[in-house]
Amino acid sequence: DAGVIQSPRHEVTEMGQEVTLRCKPISGHNSLFWYRQTMMRGLELLIYFNNNVPIDDSGMPEDRFSAKMPNASFSTLKIQPSEPRDSAVYFCASTAGGPPYEQYFGPGTRLTVT
Amino acid sequence: AQSVTQLGSHVSVSEGALVLLRCNYSSSVPPYLFWYVQYPNQGLQLLLKYTSAATLVKGINGFEAEFKKSETSFHLTKPSAHMSDAAEYFCAVRANTAGNMLTFGGGTRLMVKP
Repeated sequence: DAGVIQSPRHEVTEMGQEVTLRCKPISGHNSLFWYRQTMMRGLELLIYFNNNVPIDDSGMPEDRFSAKMPNASFSTLKIQPSEPRDSAVYFCASTAGGPPYEQYFGPGTRLTVT
Repeated sequence: AQSVTQLGSHVSVSEGALVLLRCNYSSSVPPYLFWYVQYPNQGLQLLLKYTSAATLVKGINGFEAEFKKSETSFHLTKPSAHMSDAAEYFCAVRANTAGNMLTFGGGTRLMVKP
């Protein structure tokens, strides 16, 4: 299995630009998670999809952030407009659902907003 | 609500010494518990998981963890540290209120001295 795939691996953009991060979950997994990791705040859950439907988006920082999952094999996290404080590593993870609930993480996208 | 506490954000051991990383959890129902490892510039990788089958769980790279219900603990150990074990380690518990979400601890950075 290829595992969770994320693209791009690195993104450098200027403040105010739109950023789109992409994720392909493991085939057959029905739940997908977007996390953000920073030194200051650690690992934070942004949003969680189950069967392509957003279940919990309480971690999304503000309206500048949006996430979609148009089908079972693809999800995007968009930031518009981006700000320097959005600089972080963004991880996507997926799980097959049901016990034992382990999540499999992608390699992450390192976002730098200048 | 679920919570996970990892005692010690940084732990330093000498090569060959015992590794002990502490994790305490709160859960109102029998938990599913996990340890993940994150090497520099990589995603989180599942190290081991507790699913109630056995209280002593063996994982990859010689790590193991013991579930102690009376102490609400799930500490991670390894008899002899290798330089390659230097990484950040996360304990996680499955949140029983909402499907497939995991609650992560703040992480412990393990440093191994030669």
